[in-house]
Amino acid sequence: AQSVTQPDIHITVSEGASLELRCNYSYGATPYLFWYVQSPGQGLQLLLKYFSGDTLVQGIKGFEAEFKRSQSSFNLRKPSVHWSDAAEYFCAVLISGGYNKLIFGAGTRLAVHP
Amino acid sequence: ETGVTQTPRHLVMGMTNKKSLKCEQHLGHNAMYWYKQSAKKPLELMFVYNFKEQTENNSVPSRFSPECPNSSHLFLHLHTLQPEDSALYLCASSRDRGNTEAFFGQGTRLTVV
Repeated sequence: AQSVTQPDIHITVSEGASLELRCNYSYGATPYLFWYVQSPGQGLQLLLKYFSGDTLVQGIKGFEAEFKRSQSSFNLRKPSVHWSDAAEYFCAVLISGGYNKLIFGAGTRLAVHP
Repeated sequence: ETGVTQTPRHLVMGMTNKKSLKCEQHLGHNAMYWYKQSAKKPLELMFVYNFKEQTENNSVPSRFSPECPNSSHLFLHLHTLQPEDSALYLCASSRDRGNTEAFFGQGTRLTVV
């Protein structure tokens, strides 16, 4: 069955430190992968996506993610975290076969210390 | 602003009330989704519509009744809800096929009292 796993429920980093959020997926076909961010009380905003081509993708707000097929991973990174990055981050895989369906991981809540 | 609009943003209803959530998009998308987001739980896909036809119902209780009159509008009719149905209900839209991301509304925060 298709699934997305985000092993870290909560992560706390200091402002200015680097960040890596982990995401592993289970899907038999070519995955289309996404990272979304959700601020409190808001909907989900797309940070970046991977469809094909270069396995290192750049997104908004200085985020990037690397697709590693051998590890079934799509980890999100940022070299220097800002206090405004505190939010919940969701990894998702697009299931396409007849029609599209987006499956989400459980999310990782990021706290940023000043 | 994602192009997906949900109303109302907040809703408090009693267990015997009937209410509806509305979602609207003018992005030219043909697929629309309802997700439920509860505290400490993953996003749960509830319903999927493609070209106004329901293509997925993830074992959602019948007290939730979706309606998709056209590709731009999606409703979630609520009746006889339980307190555990309190959650953030998110609507999303996308192209029905092919490489595409989903665009989300800001959600309706529902509280059942």
